[in-house]
Amino acid sequence: AQRVTQPEKLLSVFKGAPVELKCNYSYSGSPELFWYVQYSRQRLQLLLRHISRESIKGFTADLNKGETSFHLKKPFAQEEDSAMYYCAPGPTRSGYNKLIFGAGTRLAVHP
Amino acid sequence: SAVISQKPSRDICQRGTSLTIQCQVDSQVTMMFWYRQQPGQSLTLIATANQGSEATYESGFVIDKFPISRPNLTFSTLTVSNMSPEDSSIYLCSAQAGTGASPNYGYTFGSGTRLTVV
Repeated sequence: AQRVTQPEKLLSVFKGAPVELKCNYSYSGSPELFWYVQYSRQRLQLLLRHISRESIKGFTADLNKGETSFHLKKPFAQEEDSAMYYCAPGPTRSGYNKLIFGAGTRLAVHP
Repeated sequence: SAVISQKPSRDICQRGTSLTIQCQVDSQVTMMFWYRQQPGQSLTLIATANQGSEATYESGFVIDKFPISRPNLTFSTLTVSNMSPEDSSIYLCSAQAGTGASPNYGYTFGSGTRLTVV
C-alpha cells in the first residue's frame, strides 16, 4: 500500500535556526514527490516538486531513493515560515495519479 | 497554474440532510479529486472525479454517501448525503494541472468547504 510518514507533528525552532522536516514514503513504483504548505487561513499551496529541483522561499528537498525519503530543509528559518507542511507522494509512471498526504508537520518559528 | 473556485465556503446543516459542494476550475484539467480534512488531521482522499464516467472511490468511501459528478473538464460536485455530526469536516477539491516537467505541473486546491452538521 502507498504510505507516507511525517514523524514530527510539531517542529519548534527559533528564527535563524536550520530546519529539517522529515518525510519517508513507501510506494510501489517511483512516485513524484511534492511538498505542500498551508499558512494560517489560506488554502493549501504547492511549495516544491522534486522533479524540478527548485528552491522556493529558501526551501529545498532532496529525494533519497535508497532511504525512500524526501526531507524538506531550510538553512535559516524565518517567522513567516510558520505553517503546516505536508509531504505528498503522487503520480507514478505506472499511471497511479493520486496525491496522498502525510499527517503533516506544524512548523513554529519563534522570534 | 489552474485556479479553483469552491463553494460554499462554509455551511451549517441539519443531520439527515444533504449538501452539494461545487468546484469550478478556470481551465480544462485532466484529473479532479475530492478530499476530506477532519479537525486536526491531514487530508484524506475521498475519490477521483472522472469526466464522463463514475468516480473512483477510495477505501471507506462509497457512492451512496458521497455521490460525485464531473460533467465536463472544468467542473465537479461532491454531495455529502444523509449527514451526521461525524461528517463535520473541511472538504476540498483538487485539480491536476500541467503535465510532466512543465513549470506549472502540480495539484492545485480549492479554498475548502467547512461543514458543520448539527
